[in-house]
Amino acid sequence: NAGVTQTPKFQVLKTGQSMTLQCAQDMNHNSMYWYRQDPGMGLRLIYYSASEGTTDKGEVPNGYNVSRLNKREFSLRLESAAPSQTSVYFCASSGQDGIAKNIQYFGAGTRLSVL
Amino acid sequence: GQQVMQIPQYQHVQEGEDFTTYCNSSTTLSNIQWYKQRPGGHPVFLIQLVKSGEVKKQKRLTFQFGEAKKNSSLHITATQTTDVGTYFCAGGGGYNKLIFGAGTRLAVHP
Repeated sequence: NAGVTQTPKFQVLKTGQSMTLQCAQDMNHNSMYWYRQDPGMGLRLIYYSASEGTTDKGEVPNGYNVSRLNKREFSLRLESAAPSQTSVYFCASSGQDGIAKNIQYFGAGTRLSVL
Repeated sequence: GQQVMQIPQYQHVQEGEDFTTYCNSSTTLSNIQWYKQRPGGHPVFLIQLVKSGEVKKQKRLTFQFGEAKKNSSLHITATQTTDVGTYFCAGGGGYNKLIFGAGTRLAVHP
């Protein structure tokens, strides 16, 4: 049982390049999330998808787009990367039944550097 | 908007000393969760508190949820080097969303 899988693990981009971060979960969860983590700032929500076919902006959506391809997959796209987007990106999912439905399970992260 | 504040930002202890991190929300929370992130790793769920005044223990870790459901704490008794990492609290921020605190980074020196 893999849980939440993110690819790639590392990426270096030049300013202005585009790329897509991939995320897939095998836990049949309804909700999926993209966060960025910067030193001293915790985890900030970029976009989330409460269910297949829906997406909503989080706290820091500017410069990003997302696609909820199906129930398993939720991708994050940077159309024109900027140095300010250098960060560690985490994908997460949630959606178990009952009281545990809000518990989030995280992928291993993507470490992105934009030069 | 809703904010979750966590203090201290960093704590350095000697192995065997106790450690506490505190979490405060600007609004009443339906629940609060705690996660641990080892250096270079990803956040891993530790526990969820739902009831006002709730106290839960996991071995040397004690979690509390305030009576007003606006604050929480994590206390580690007799820290070990395996406790090293960053501890995050997270409060409910609407439908299945969480608002994370900035985290407390714990360093334990043998």
